[in-house]
Amino acid sequence: AQSVAQPEDQVKVAEGNPLTVKCTYSVSGNPYLFWYVQYPNRGLQFLLKYITGDNLVKGSYGFEAEFNKSQTSFHLKKPSALVSDSALYFCAVRDHGGATNKLIFGTGTLLAVQP
Amino acid sequence: DTGVSQNPRHKITKRGQNVTFRCDPISEHNRLYWYRQTLGQGPEFLTYFQNEAQLEKSRLLSDRFSAERPKGSFSTLEIQRTEQGDSAMYLCASSLVPGEDGYTFGSGTRLTVV
Repeated sequence: AQSVAQPEDQVKVAEGNPLTVKCTYSVSGNPYLFWYVQYPNRGLQFLLKYITGDNLVKGSYGFEAEFNKSQTSFHLKKPSALVSDSALYFCAVRDHGGATNKLIFGTGTLLAVQP
Repeated sequence: DTGVSQNPRHKITKRGQNVTFRCDPISEHNRLYWYRQTLGQGPEFLTYFQNEAQLEKSRLLSDRFSAERPKGSFSTLEIQRTEQGDSAMYLCASSLVPGEDGYTFGSGTRLTVV
């Protein structure tokens, strides 16, 4: 069965510093991987995805993610964090089993960017 | 129509009452998903529609839950005889090509059962 793990419940960084939010995956076959961000009492906003191609994927709001097949990781990164980046971040993998292609989410990582 | 719309945004109901939520997907998206998100957890899959056909239901979807998507357009999720454990954010998402174009989520309906 497909799954993703987000090992950190919370990540704290100072504004202007680089940030990394970690995600590891377990899939059979080629992974389709996603990052979403959620602000309080809001739905999920799409940041970026990896389907195939370059291991470094660039997304919205200056975020990028690096796909590493050998380490089965898809960490989210940003060179310089903003206070407005503070939110809940979810990694997800597309379930290849069956016809639904539903997303399977991690438990989320709360990012706190301190001024 | 630039996104997925969900109504109501918030619903407070007494235990035992029935509630219904609505999702209006992006008009050209034929695939529609319902998820439930409880505090401190990631969204969990509930059910999936392709056009008007409900093709998969999670075991999380007890007999008290029913979902429809008449004519393959909007969808409704009904919970009968609500319980306190049903309190959660209910999210709807739609997509066109499965996964490759991403999934667009609505802002969700937050249900509080008192």
